[in-house]
Amino acid sequence: DTEVTQTPKHLVMGMTNKKSLKCEQHMGHRAMYWYKQKAKKPPELMFVYSYEKLSINESVPSRFSPECPNSSLLNLHLHALQPEDSALYLCASSQAPSTGTVSYEQYFGPGTRLTVT
Amino acid sequence: GQQLNQSPQSMFIQEGEDVSMNCTSSSIFNTWLWYKQDPGEGPVLLIALYKAGELTSNGRLTAQFGITRKDSFLNISASIPSDVGIYFCAGQLRGTQGGSEKLVFGKGMKLTVNP
Repeated sequence: DTEVTQTPKHLVMGMTNKKSLKCEQHMGHRAMYWYKQKAKKPPELMFVYSYEKLSINESVPSRFSPECPNSSLLNLHLHALQPEDSALYLCASSQAPSTGTVSYEQYFGPGTRLTVT
Repeated sequence: GQQLNQSPQSMFIQEGEDVSMNCTSSSIFNTWLWYKQDPGEGPVLLIALYKAGELTSNGRLTAQFGITRKDSFLNISASIPSDVGIYFCAGQLRGTQGGSEKLVFGKGMKLTVNP
């Protein structure tokens, strides 16, 4: 099973709203990722969690706040977003190498289509 | 930062034809991945390549990890209508201690298959 699930599938929010995106995997992966994808562009990395700790933040604005409550769950809390934040938000997971000697492929969820009005 | 050059950017082919696409980089990668993405969906992993020179098949798909570790190609044989979508290559660096991995994506190739 290589399934990563994301909820909701679609989200429309105003610029003053607070909402959260959720991601879940049950593959025993210890690395989880958030990506943002604009139309006709490749995914752009936002955050990486490794063993439930934030290991990479790609200079993402603070209106995006990630959270990893446990090894299976990843949340992205949204507050005071701008219309240009409208995009497909993708979650991914992979095994997390502890020694840096191997690479593991990332599996993506179906994404949440976010529209900010 | 690292960039991947993926070509061609789009292809229009007839059902039954073969198609090839490739990615090149100025940097070495430890792993090459090929993904397919349908509109409004997440990328689906097609093939993962781990060793320089490795040639791997998955059904009608064949991919190779270049010997220099700076390039990879993907071939699709006998295309069918459901092959339509956007194909992304991605190079992956080995994680540092602590297990963080980063993917560098190509810009994607949009494939159209005419029945």
